[in-house]
Amino acid sequence: QKEVEQNSGPLSVPEGAIASLNCTYSDRVSQSFFWYRQYSGKSPELIMSIYSNGDKEDGRFTAQLNKASQYVSLLIRDSQPSDSATYLCAVNRKGNTPLVFGKGTRLSVIA
Amino acid sequence: EAGVVQSPRYKIIEKKQPVAFWCNPISGHNTLYWYLQNLGQGPELLIRYENEEAVDDSQLPKDRFSAERLKGVDSTLKIQPAELGDSAVYLCASSLGAGVYDTQYFGPGTRLTVL
Repeated sequence: QKEVEQNSGPLSVPEGAIASLNCTYSDRVSQSFFWYRQYSGKSPELIMSIYSNGDKEDGRFTAQLNKASQYVSLLIRDSQPSDSATYLCAVNRKGNTPLVFGKGTRLSVIA
Repeated sequence: EAGVVQSPRYKIIEKKQPVAFWCNPISGHNTLYWYLQNLGQGPELLIRYENEEAVDDSQLPKDRFSAERLKGVDSTLKIQPAELGDSAVYLCASSLGAGVYDTQYFGPGTRLTVL
């Protein structure tokens, strides 16, 4: 089992819809979770971080964490074509250990 | 505030040639990372620095790769000799510290093509 797993997609959603991106991780002691957005040919850009169980909202983005199920998700409300990118889930098990990335999910928002 | 700076942005070399990448982290960030990203994959850590000290280089292919971070600021990653399989994007990132809640910020990356 890979440490961080994401569906590679592509996930296609119509403009204005909610995009739901999912990520599972294998190490139960993982403590921090990050979502990065990466446009084609560009570097990863931090979207959100989450550390505690529950939801965290920032504008159109909501991160959800369920440590018991080892599951973290990112919801994008009112999806726009400019949201079309690859979304990387990253997990940090504990301090002084590498941030582990999933392969990313490619999102396509259709106008 | 300036972000992480990397150069060059693109590099094309022939196999067996040497190549070097340079990174300047965000001011005040003590921790610096070099990642390798292949197409369709997430970034994979090559080496992590705490100030001048390389504290995690277990994934660095030491027979051909080397890195340094003089004075705890700028860093250079070198490949000598380059192989065809080294074609990838090399990303530099920095963070204030190496704690579990420290966010890593990425530079624009260097896209290496080995012919």
